[in-house]
Amino acid sequence: GDSVTQTEGLVTLTKGLPVMLNCTYQTTYSPFLFWYVQHLNEAPKLLLKSSTDNKRTEHQGFYATLHKSSSSFHLQKSSVQLSDSALYFCALSVQGTGSKLSFGKGAKLTVSP
Amino acid sequence: AQTIHQWPVAEIKAVGSPLSLGCTIKGKSSPNLYWYWQATGGTLQQLFYSITVGQVESVVQLNLSASRPKDDQFILSTEKLLLSHSGFYLCAWSSGTENTEVFFGKGSRLTVV
Repeated sequence: GDSVTQTEGLVTLTKGLPVMLNCTYQTTYSPFLFWYVQHLNEAPKLLLKSSTDNKRTEHQGFYATLHKSSSSFHLQKSSVQLSDSALYFCALSVQGTGSKLSFGKGAKLTVSP
Repeated sequence: AQTIHQWPVAEIKAVGSPLSLGCTIKGKSSPNLYWYWQATGGTLQQLFYSITVGQVESVVQLNLSASRPKDDQFILSTEKLLLSHSGFYLCAWSSGTENTEVFFGKGSRLTVV
């Protein structure tokens, strides 16, 4: 079946450092990948999305490139801020599933001063 | 603009008692509707989805049921709560177009004691 793997459970960084959160997926169909961010006690919100191979997508300083050859959609930012502390989920949707999202386990990013 | 309202915001319920959670979506006709469950700090597990009034598909079996009595309303319920039902319940919607963004409500936090 379709699945998403996120390897980092907890990531702790000092403000100003770069971050990369890994996301790999498995599906036999054409994939749509999403990154959602969830701040404490809030609903998840869409951060990035892509279905185009090898095209970088950016939003709010975060960026990701879908690489179908390696089934990856890693999230990056060059300089994290305190406000970036949150849960980050990678999600996969495939054609024919009516927007059924398969979420990864999530990565908790904590940014310290 | 579309809005999604969930109720109640939080509940503390006894094991074995009934439960009803609801959400209403305004400003969007015929949305796809979803119920997600999230353990504290955990991933998002899709429970149910509905593409039209009166039709609900179950994704996982958790001794819960869902109904869509109106185009803009989605109800999650059970007659007997278990301790394992504790968590964060999120209602979400998307347009009828596949692989589009899913928008989440602010959630209902349930504690079963």
